[in-house]
Amino acid sequence: AQKVTQAQTEISVVEKEDVTLDCVYETRDTTYYLFWYKQPPSGELVFLIRRNSFDEQNEISGRYSWNFQKSTSSFNFTITASQVVDSAVYFCALLRPNAGNMLTFGGGTRLMVKP
Amino acid sequence: DGGITQSPKYLFRKEGQNVTLSCEQNLNHDAMYWYRQDPGQGLRLIYYSQIVNDFQKGDIAEGYSVSREKKESFPLTVTSAQKNPTAFYLCASSRNKGADFYNEQFFGPGTRLTVL
Repeated sequence: AQKVTQAQTEISVVEKEDVTLDCVYETRDTTYYLFWYKQPPSGELVFLIRRNSFDEQNEISGRYSWNFQKSTSSFNFTITASQVVDSAVYFCALLRPNAGNMLTFGGGTRLMVKP
Repeated sequence: DGGITQSPKYLFRKEGQNVTLSCEQNLNHDAMYWYRQDPGQGLRLIYYSQIVNDFQKGDIAEGYSVSREKKESFPLTVTSAQKNPTAFYLCASSRNKGADFYNEQFFGPGTRLTVL
């Protein structure tokens, strides 16, 4: 069974703090893909990153970084020096290659960054 | 500008009525998807289509129907059989071809459906 768990439903930080959003996944596939999306108040999902199961290198993009650990089935997302514009709901998702590339989403983490 | 458009943004319907949500993309993507999002929850897949004239049920297809007569369009009909249709509906598309086969899905702005 495919499952994605985002245990933190809501996080509140003050601007400039670092924050980590957790994502734990379950899959029986040996090849799989993980994604992070951002959903601002407007509602549209914005793609942030894709990671395949063969590549365990961590990735950094500006203030964003991702830590992929196959051993613990986790794909955590860190925002450094958070800003008010980072306030949104963040979703982690698992792609099912053998099922039409459907995405299984976690429940999302609502991040509130206060000035 | 390439992208996905969904209309209308807000939709109200009376209980017992069918309603069709529009989704159009000009990204030349082969695959299209419909998701439902309930308050405070993640997205769940309703239907998807990998090519024209073909579509598959997702995890929560009951009470919904789709068609894919053109590559650019993937309308979703919420029928009266859907017991709890009030939700936010998101359409997505992806390339799903060759080296891009496992690419990200691009999402439209969504339609918020309320059943009165």
